[in-house]
Amino acid sequence: SAVISQKPSRDICQRGTSLTIQCQVDSQVTMMFWYRQQPGQSLTLIATANQGSEATYESGFVIDKFPISRPNLTFSTLTVSNMSPEDSSIYLCSVVVQGAGEQYFGPGTRLTVT
Amino acid sequence: GIQVEQSPPDLILQEGANSTLRCNFSDSVNNLQWFHQNPWGQLINLFYIPSGTKQNGRLSATTVATERYSLLYISSSQTTDSGVYFCAVEYIGANNLFFGTGTRLTVIP
Repeated sequence: SAVISQKPSRDICQRGTSLTIQCQVDSQVTMMFWYRQQPGQSLTLIATANQGSEATYESGFVIDKFPISRPNLTFSTLTVSNMSPEDSSIYLCSVVVQGAGEQYFGPGTRLTVT
Repeated sequence: GIQVEQSPPDLILQEGANSTLRCNFSDSVNNLQWFHQNPWGQLINLFYIPSGTKQNGRLSATTVATERYSLLYISSSQTTDSGVYFCAVEYIGANNLFFGTGTRLTVIP
């Protein structure tokens, strides 16, 4: 398994500002992902964070809105840019541990945009 | 398109009752996992089960890959079982999980 931490755990932000969310894992992982969970909904994949290269974004998500960095095998950041109330969601970091098939999730960042 | 459907969408149980949650998926999969999202939002791995049957305490899961469904059994339910249960699949050719619609379980004392 993996121990995943996210910062901040929650935040309230004003419209038009940006927030950067950090994800730290306690072991080297092969894959890191960022998901969004809108209120009352299931999880939707935003992007795969690739170490040392640009993230791979899913349909409907773009780099200008959700820039992602992954400088090494245990750390990634997701920025939510130029926020609007529609960005109010839980943002979750997820990893696949080397040699295993299971995917594990961080505790999430609960974002409210006013 | 990709579909992962779960049923029922909502379930209310008396403490001590048993239940079966179902997950139907639309194509062949490499990976299937069941998660429990507790009331605080934390997603907890329950099973990694692309095929076969597994048991862990009061919970067990069965995936019949050839028929494209998986079942999660909860026996002797407790109030701490409340939350949302998600099935997530990784389709062949993909490298990430696609989440189902979820089943919201409420266990009342």
